[in-house]
Amino acid sequence: ETGVTQTPRHLVMGMTNKKSLKCEQHLGHNAMYWYKQSAKKPLELMFVYSLEERVENNSVPSRFSPECPNSSHLFLHLHTLQPEDSALYLCASSQGLYYEQYFGPGTRLTVT
Amino acid sequence: DAKTTQPNSMESNEEEPVHLPCNHSTISGTDYIHWYRQLPSQGPEYVIHGLTSNVNNRMASLAIAEDRKSSTLILHRATLRDAAVYYCILRALGETSGSRLTFGEGTQLTVNP
Repeated sequence: ETGVTQTPRHLVMGMTNKKSLKCEQHLGHNAMYWYKQSAKKPLELMFVYSLEERVENNSVPSRFSPECPNSSHLFLHLHTLQPEDSALYLCASSQGLYYEQYFGPGTRLTVT
Repeated sequence: DAKTTQPNSMESNEEEPVHLPCNHSTISGTDYIHWYRQLPSQGPEYVIHGLTSNVNNRMASLAIAEDRKSSTLILHRATLRDAAVYYCILRALGETSGSRLTFGEGTQLTVNP
């Protein structure tokens, strides 16, 4: 138990669906992150939020839309995804941008 | 970003020490050496980090070469629970790029009973 929870743990969605992934951290941290882990590829950083402001967007397609309403919650809104977007989506948080990151268990997403 | 090189896989026996190497010959003076690990079906987990001196914590030890071009993560007594992918990552703390973790392929550690 890392103090970072993610829901749902598994999600299957069609290419025309809209869904959201939720991340919550109970650590009092100020920075939150979304990563993507595809099969046989290294983790890729997608988005970084610090004090609820997006500070990094790593050339992620617009069909992925992050939202950080407060320092404890982070969402990833998904729409019109492609099958190649199937992956493990990991959320992380840290005390500040340069501190160690604590990861959630991830959401396993399958796009059909 | 400075690059790290790790072996793809290593094997160890339970209750024996494990030395996981990492080469980072292009490391800069502001780069900290971080280690994370990812157990099966879990997110990555912070292990340890250091700059120049060797570091110890409850999970592991980090030995850093004098020229900082390589480092070794030491698990003093491997357990079956230590079977994971271990990532060696450089972070330039204090610089914009240091806010991110850039994961490579890592080393898959297998621990035999």
